[in-house]
Amino acid sequence: NAGVMQNPRHLVRRRGQEARLRCSPMKGHSHVYWYRQLPEEGLKFMVYLQKENIIDESGMPKERFSAEFPKEGPSILRIQQVVRGDSAAYFCASSFSYIVDEQFFGPGTRLTVL
Amino acid sequence: DAKTTQPNSMESNEEEPVHLPCNHSTISGTDYIHWYRQLPSQGPEYVIHGLTSNVNNRMASLAIAEDRKSSTLILHRATLRDAAVYYCILRDRDGGSQGNLIFGKGTKLSVKP
Repeated sequence: NAGVMQNPRHLVRRRGQEARLRCSPMKGHSHVYWYRQLPEEGLKFMVYLQKENIIDESGMPKERFSAEFPKEGPSILRIQQVVRGDSAAYFCASSFSYIVDEQFFGPGTRLTVL
Repeated sequence: DAKTTQPNSMESNEEEPVHLPCNHSTISGTDYIHWYRQLPSQGPEYVIHGLTSNVNNRMASLAIAEDRKSSTLILHRATLRDAAVYYCILRDRDGGSQGNLIFGKGTKLSVKP
């Protein structure tokens, strides 16, 4: 039973390029969460999605960031025109339901913007 | 979500018990107490959660004060692999926060051989 999978594990982009981060939740999980961890800081919630729906995007920056969780395939976190401040570890988590259930985290994608 | 307060860091010796405290004086009646930990360069992992009664699992025990304003995560025999940042998080049973976890700064546990 594979855990939450994220790819790529490491991503290097130059300023102005686009970054696409992928997350495959655990089998049977339809709730996906994205978190960002800046260097030497704690995790901050970004967005919560269910299949084909964004439920809560209160933690997403207003510009350049978007997320989707299509009916088929992984969840995607997209960052357009990356800047150096986007350099961080991005973690995806999934759960069976959103009420109380534990969240299972992936290994993260470490984005470096040059 | 109600706020939690944890010490910034703690030290332990290998194979000794560790008690990690968490204060949550504004906890509501429907808040569950969750603990996660994050090992270096890894994603967080769930440790344990409880509502009112003490809880045990293969990883740890959770002792909850009678008034629920504080709790303690207990690692019975610390190993080097337990060195991590431990987060105490409150989650509304009814999903009031829409499910996302609110991470504080946590307690960085160091384990000495």
